Amino acid sequence: QSALTQPASVSGSPGQSITISCTGTSSDVGGYNYVSWYQQHPGKAPKLMIYDVSNRPSGVSNRFSGSKSGNTASLTISGLQAEDEADYYCSSYTSSSTLNVFGTGTKVTVL
Amino acid sequence: EVQLVQSGAEVKKPGESLKISCKGSGYSFTSYWIGWVRQMPGKGLEWMGIIYPGDSDTRYSPSFQGQVTISADKSISTAYLQWSSLKASDTAMYYCARQHSSWYFDPWGQGTLVTVSS
Repeated sequence: QSALTQPASVSGSPGQSITISCTGTSSDVGGYNYVSWYQQHPGKAPKLMIYDVSNRPSGVSNRFSGSKSGNTASLTISGLQAEDEADYYCSSYTSSSTLNVFGTGTKVTVL
Repeated sequence: EVQLVQSGAEVKKPGESLKISCKGSGYSFTSYWIGWVRQMPGKGLEWMGIIYPGDSDTRYSPSFQGQVTISADKSISTAYLQWSSLKASDTAMYYCARQHSSWYFDPWGQGTLVTVSS
């Protein structure tokens, strides 16, 4: 089971919107609504940002939103802020023996 | 407040054994799976396996099966990750996290840095 595919980096100016993709297969992203997204600042533990494809935990800004189409999930950050600069990882349940797979990770840079 | 607190950083030599811990509080420890995630230096997240402290049911990623052992002591709300013989390639940050029924992880522990060097 390979990692889910994410772009290595995405950048945007403050106030802009960016979208991070997460591509898997019908055995993981495409087959289940068990996609979640995590934000990780340098030296810190990951933090849950989106679960079940599009649900936001309490306390997470509504500037973060998630969606899915076919085998690709997406995380959109609107109104980009300096504090959004971090690494982002998607994750999905998989029907393979691996059970769970993370994405390759995307570094978001605020220009 | 739901919290997972991990044991401190470790420096070990190749061939040594190690057991790191993850203590849960603020919720029913026996009602949620606990997962372990590896992050090697400068790399991404890797799912290692999970345990259900209620009955110690354990599942491993094939990549880690036989390489580590996951266990739990529900009487003290603590999960463990252990190695019988460490290798330099085990050098990484290890996180525990509470796993929910739809396979998302929240919250996460603060991480335990394991350094294996001769």
